[in-house]
Amino acid sequence: QSALTQPPSVSGSPGQSVTISCTGTSSDAGTSNRVAWYLQPPGTAPKLIIYEARNRALGVSGRFSGSKSGNTASLTISGLQAEDEADYYCSLHTGSNTLIFGGGTKLTVL
Amino acid sequence: HLQLQESGPGLVKPSETLSLTCNVSGASIGSYNSYWGWIRQSPGKGLEWIGTIYYSGTTYYNPSLKSRGTISSDTSRNQFSLKLTSVTAADTAIYYCAGDQYESSWFKDWGQGTLVTVSS
Repeated sequence: QSALTQPPSVSGSPGQSVTISCTGTSSDAGTSNRVAWYLQPPGTAPKLIIYEARNRALGVSGRFSGSKSGNTASLTISGLQAEDEADYYCSLHTGSNTLIFGGGTKLTVL
Repeated sequence: HLQLQESGPGLVKPSETLSLTCNVSGASIGSYNSYWGWIRQSPGKGLEWIGTIYYSGTTYYNPSLKSRGTISSDTSRNQFSLKLTSVTAADTAIYYCAGDQYESSWFKDWGQGTLVTVSS
């Protein structure tokens, strides 16, 4: 079973940009664009923000962008705002039709 | 607007079966190319995918559950369900149902989640 590794935490000041990485260990991670990103504010359900590695979900701010290179997908949040403070999770849909989540990254806006 | 709502007991005894239902409104769970899943989150931990049921009835599960989980659907009631057998304290979590009307690779719409505690 593949695994997705995210940094446990990142931080930035308002107005800055931060990038969260998501590195996979399997061949799926290298060849598949079936990567998604979710944000989860405290006490709420996750919300889809990026799908297919780089496409923004409907209604999501343009400050959120996704990319992928090799086994690593990245989520960049520009123009940080206090409301961006949340946990962020990446996910990968594998060739065997299973879904893997990364361990999550806590974003702190300083 | 798609809405999902989980329901079921909040307390389950160890070794018993956890049963949850997700009621869906705003879309038909039998619609072509729709996908419905269960995801859980242990207290203070990350997200864990449990399994997905396709519009066709095909199911896929997290291998780590070791065949304890079963997801089924009832199109007449527009709901899908999760059964998890032989539960232990490690199964204590917030259980979310989620869906997507186009893709099996991610979930656009989520329920609010329901906390299930395994304890005697």
